[in-house]
Amino acid sequence: DVKVTQSSRYLVKRTGEKVFLECVQDMDHENMFWYRQDPGLGLRLIYFSYDVKMKEKGDIPEGYSVSREKKERFSLILESASTNQTSMYLCASSLLDLQETQYFGPGTRLLVL
Amino acid sequence: RKEVEQDPGPFNVPEGATVAFNCTYSNSASQSFFWYRQDCRKEPKLLMSVYSSGNEDGRFTAQLNRASQYISLLIRDSKLSDSATYLCVVNTGDDKIIFGKGTRLHILP
Repeated sequence: DVKVTQSSRYLVKRTGEKVFLECVQDMDHENMFWYRQDPGLGLRLIYFSYDVKMKEKGDIPEGYSVSREKKERFSLILESASTNQTSMYLCASSLLDLQETQYFGPGTRLLVL
Repeated sequence: RKEVEQDPGPFNVPEGATVAFNCTYSNSASQSFFWYRQDCRKEPKLLMSVYSSGNEDGRFTAQLNRASQYISLLIRDSKLSDSATYLCVVNTGDDKIIFGKGTRLHILP
């Protein structure tokens, strides 16, 4: 069974704080993704990575950065959290071909005060 | 036209009924299609891939209509446990994967 884990289920941070969201997958998948999901807006891609140290911007990368130092781990960084970054953050992974199924982690619900 | 569009619902359907919903996509070069299911406060999970020839998995049937650029999901003999949000996912072929906003389904006892 593919397992994607995320470091926290719930997180509360203050405006201006640096926030790290960690994602780990155990299936040796090449691709990893970070999405945010908001009511009425659906899932929006922030960044994705198709290999170690490689990253590509998604649809809404502003205010975020990512790090992929190891194949199994993909981190999302909010350099200076803002209230409009309050959201559900979902990590996913898939095999090399983008036509492959994406497997999601349980999500991190982030509240920025 | 939006890249991937779904009726948000909710569809309120009595248990045992058949329900179907569609998802339209704008890029005619789109290559692969999926239906994901998302339960309340949970992560999306793959329900089924959608093949050109259509595919069936138990009570669920997925179809692709390339000419009209939509995919469909049919659920027969609906169960209470089918209540969820169903997300349409389209791989547009230029390394872009787009999720629809989902269709909410409520199965009523």
